[in-house]
Amino acid sequence: DAGITQSPRHKVTETGTPVTLRCHQTENHRYMYWYRQDPGHGLRLIHYSYGVKDTDKGEVSDGYSVSRSKTEDFLLTLESATSSQTSVYFCAISEPRGFYGYTFGSGTRLTVV
Amino acid sequence: SQQGEEDPQALSIQEGENATMNCSYKTSINNLQWYRQNSGRGLVHLILIRSNEREKHSGRLRVTLDTSKKSSSLLITASRAADTASYFCATDSSAGANSKLTFGKGITLSVRP
Repeated sequence: DAGITQSPRHKVTETGTPVTLRCHQTENHRYMYWYRQDPGHGLRLIHYSYGVKDTDKGEVSDGYSVSRSKTEDFLLTLESATSSQTSVYFCAISEPRGFYGYTFGSGTRLTVV
Repeated sequence: SQQGEEDPQALSIQEGENATMNCSYKTSINNLQWYRQNSGRGLVHLILIRSNEREKHSGRLRVTLDTSKKSSSLLITASRAADTASYFCATDSSAGANSKLTFGKGITLSVRP
């Protein structure tokens, strides 16, 4: 989607290796989110950020960490990837209060083998 | 845990017919949103309805909200093959300026030409 890009789009990694996914926005939105999407579970919130260096945990944060050193970038790190973290990861951005809805990136398909 | 639960899980209709999708949720909300996801793509925001609103329209979309029953419905009128996608309801129960959406598992809509 315009204004938000995720990289990489696809990644295959081995169990136990660290992985970092990047979300970059050009909309200057304050709020950024990381979700994972799995069959039968819909989207589940991993972490979110409400400003530079301000982050908080979501519903499924175990095994994940995030960093936001500048407004436009929100990084999601899997410290030691496990097969259960095989998923499609989506980044989203929003204005405060989310009254205009979220804008989602195109997703990163991560496979842990 | 899932806040919104969509019903039905899958819906197949003929082009030109109306599609009605339902969402129920458990706790009080600030707003409820509907998103569409085409296969292999990110989610796209369709419409948002606030807790003090009962009905909202956007083009061929009509969404209703019944806070006493904790339920919402999305109606797509005069469906087209291009409406084939997964549809998700999402609820925002956050306080203040923060926004965190909780998504349901989604409804798969197939529109037959």
